[in-house]
Amino acid sequence: TQLLEQSPQFLSIQEGENLTVYCNSSSVFSSLQWYRQEPGEGPVLLVTVVTGGEVKKLKRLTFQFGDARKDSSLHITAAQPGDTGLYLCAGGTGYQKVTFGIGTKLQVIP
Amino acid sequence: ETGVTQTPRHLVMGMTNKKSLKCEQHLGHNAMYWYKQSAKKPLELMFVYSLEERVENNSVPSRFSPECPNSSHLFLHLHTLQPEDSALYLCASSHQGDPIYGYTFGSGTRLTVV
Repeated sequence: TQLLEQSPQFLSIQEGENLTVYCNSSSVFSSLQWYRQEPGEGPVLLVTVVTGGEVKKLKRLTFQFGDARKDSSLHITAAQPGDTGLYLCAGGTGYQKVTFGIGTKLQVIP
Repeated sequence: ETGVTQTPRHLVMGMTNKKSLKCEQHLGHNAMYWYKQSAKKPLELMFVYSLEERVENNSVPSRFSPECPNSSHLFLHLHTLQPEDSALYLCASSHQGDPIYGYTFGSGTRLTVV
């Protein structure tokens, strides 16, 4: 069974602070996705990374895929209350094969 | 309407009831999924339909019965559920089932079994 471990599980920070959340596995993934889920809604895809060492930026969010394609990180600069939500990572290993992590619950306090 | 639409948003049902969840997508995707989301657990894949054929059934109890009449619609029929089945049920769709494209999720149905 492939497992994706996300850390920390909970994070509460003040508006304007920076943060990094992590997604780790002992398995190699062909692609990795990050989603954000707001309360009462479904997850929304933020980014897909596919190449080891790849870095993608989405405004204040920076995503990195590990060189060995087993781990990933999400860094948020100058967090805002609108960033509050559950951040899920999901690793793909082939057709119809996706493993989700439990998520990191982020709260940004104004 | 674009995206993935799920109805109802909330459902409370007794253990002897029969109900159905509905999912609709107009994104032109050809793969659709049912996931169960419970607190402190990863999303659990329940069923996968690709080109209207069920390609995966992850050992889901028979009290859950999926139906995919066409590539835009997906149903989850529920009967004689247990309280532990209370969860958020998410429908998703994707392009050709390749994870690289990611999933588009609906808002979910919050199910409470009493």
